[in-house]
Amino acid sequence: GAVVSQHPSWVICKSGTSVKIECRSLDFQATTMFWYRQFPKQSLMLMATSNEGSKATYEQGVEKDKFLINHASLTLSTLTVTSAHPEDSSFYICSASGVAGVEQFFGPGTRLTVL
Amino acid sequence: AQSVAQPEDQVNVAEGNPLTVKCTYSVSGNPYLFWYVQYPNRGLQFLLKYITGDNLVKGSYGFEAEFNKSQTSFHLKKPSALVSDSALYFCAVTRVLTGGFKTIFGAGTRLFVKA
Repeated sequence: GAVVSQHPSWVICKSGTSVKIECRSLDFQATTMFWYRQFPKQSLMLMATSNEGSKATYEQGVEKDKFLINHASLTLSTLTVTSAHPEDSSFYICSASGVAGVEQFFGPGTRLTVL
Repeated sequence: AQSVAQPEDQVNVAEGNPLTVKCTYSVSGNPYLFWYVQYPNRGLQFLLKYITGDNLVKGSYGFEAEFNKSQTSFHLKKPSALVSDSALYFCAVTRVLTGGFKTIFGAGTRLFVKA
């Protein structure tokens, strides 16, 4: 149980375009989802926390108009990188937690490359 | 400031030997402690957690960790390393907040197990 999927697993796009990444909890209801960014050989940086049905809470320094997060249902959250630029290239990982506790279940990650 | 330290960027160990990956933290309250493993281009996989109770926690794949409150440490250990244990290991500390929780990750320690 507690499986989280991400789609796509990798994406290459041109500078200026927008990219949407989906995060789904497959076998549990995710009341909270987290979006992280990971640079090569570095740790995970929390970008935002989203609760189902409400606006995401962004970490300091993360542009909410740049990284749009929607958590419309208990099984789906999306991250849209708007007007992507090469510096947005990174590995994006989502995680989800259910009603019960503080454990997070991580998706496999999405590698974004902006040309 | 809240922080998690993994003092070693890399740990090298021979197959069959015991391994230790260190983690110390500076977080207020009584945080929950986790270890995750990450393989290349993959999300994080849960290894083990400490919430309360016995200071020695056993987890997946033969790993265990010892919680030491006085030293605020949570070192990951395995009695006999396998080549397949080679990966990136993250220590994480979760604080429960009003209405949710937040997790801080260490910088990660790369484990190399030589045959």
